[in-house]
Amino acid sequence: DAKTTQPPSMDCAEGRAANLPCNHSTISGNEYVYWYRQIHSQGPQYIIHGLKNNETNEMASLIITEDRKSSTLILPHATLRDTAVYYCIVRVGWGAQKLVFGQGTRLTINP
Amino acid sequence: DTEVTQTPKHLVMGMTNKKSLKCEQHMGHRAMYWYKQKAKKPPELMFVYSYEKLSINESVPSRFSPECPNSSLLNLHLHALQPEDSALYLCASSQSSGGGTNEQFFGPGTRLTVL
Repeated sequence: DAKTTQPPSMDCAEGRAANLPCNHSTISGNEYVYWYRQIHSQGPQYIIHGLKNNETNEMASLIITEDRKSSTLILPHATLRDTAVYYCIVRVGWGAQKLVFGQGTRLTINP
Repeated sequence: DTEVTQTPKHLVMGMTNKKSLKCEQHMGHRAMYWYKQKAKKPPELMFVYSYEKLSINESVPSRFSPECPNSSLLNLHLHALQPEDSALYLCASSQSSGGGTNEQFFGPGTRLTVL
């Protein structure tokens, strides 16, 4: 699985958009970009994933660059409950595959 | 039902004890996982079961023994653990075959303390 690089921490004001970057320059053509988050003392929670097109769901938007070497997770209107560690993971999309978690980005939403 | 349940929530055990962690899901997933998470570290994979068969063992010491008695249940049997095994143990499940989002659903974890 490809390695990802994320900033260790970020701050965002409540109500503003939170933009979390991820570099994955060694991603293979068959690997997807997945985002999970882990709120303190809870299990990780799936947010969104994509292959090459931008994706949006009820939680977030995922923007993947054309060369697929980086991506950005966007939380459009951050709330205090979005404070968590956010993990960007690349892996193939099929089968029972392990998730390889990096150090993630600790996002703090400030009131 | 999109929930993975884990019992117990907390467990304290001595180094000579034998205990088991339990995980259950009713989403029809045929892949189930055990992860271990030390304090302030990301989760690390321990085992993967696919269609009730062990498919990945990340060189985990034999004092951890997984078991998948049926497609909804996953156990982790613990014996002769060391204090450094104290951690949050996370269970997850997902579809096993291709297609779909294949995301993993995680339980809340069991916080294990070995004295």
